[in-house]
Amino acid sequence: DAGITQSPRHKVTETGTPVTLRCHQTENHRYMYWYRQDPGHGLRLIHYSYGVKDTDKGEVSDGYSVSRSKTEDFLLTLESATSSQTSVYFCATVRTGGPVIYFGEGSWLTVV
Amino acid sequence: GENVEQHPSTLSVQEGDSAVIKCTYSDSASNYFPWYKQELGKRPQLIIDIRSNVGEKKDQRIAVTLNKTAKHFSLHITETQPEDSAVYFCAARNIGNEKLTFGTGTRLTIIP
Repeated sequence: DAGITQSPRHKVTETGTPVTLRCHQTENHRYMYWYRQDPGHGLRLIHYSYGVKDTDKGEVSDGYSVSRSKTEDFLLTLESATSSQTSVYFCATVRTGGPVIYFGEGSWLTVV
Repeated sequence: GENVEQHPSTLSVQEGDSAVIKCTYSDSASNYFPWYKQELGKRPQLIIDIRSNVGEKKDQRIAVTLNKTAKHFSLHITETQPEDSAVYFCAARNIGNEKLTFGTGTRLTIIP
């Protein structure tokens, strides 16, 4: 499981509040990803990172920002949470030369 | 970008029978095709994968076939068991750009 931990695992927040999810990995993997999972949509890529301070947008990046100041940490921020961002968020990593993607345990976010 | 379509969205089979899940992809540059199994409330777990230079791969009761010309690949599960009940996701990736695109998932139910 590539030593991936996500925090918090569960969170309920109010509309309009900022939320930050943290992904921490211990395997020194170069690539890190944030996906969201919703019924009928599978896993959709939000943002990804290919190194420290190197990030790029995925297919559903609107309303989200990311930062990676250290190899081991990849943060996902919802600047102003909306109900449409209620979802399960998965962090994933790939080591350089891959190709296997390893997932964290998920973070369940509810925006009320 | 890559687009992956997965069918069927739900599948019920009698215990002991075979199950087949099919996916198509759009980007001819994709060269890596993993399959993930996700049990309720858990993270997706890799069960088998195949690279574009191979047409078929088998691991005990699970096999994956790839048709590069038609741009489709399939998961075959033989002698199904109750513990095979889960949601299965296919994915496609161009290892060169490190982005993995998922299908929308198939909920497989094994009927005892």
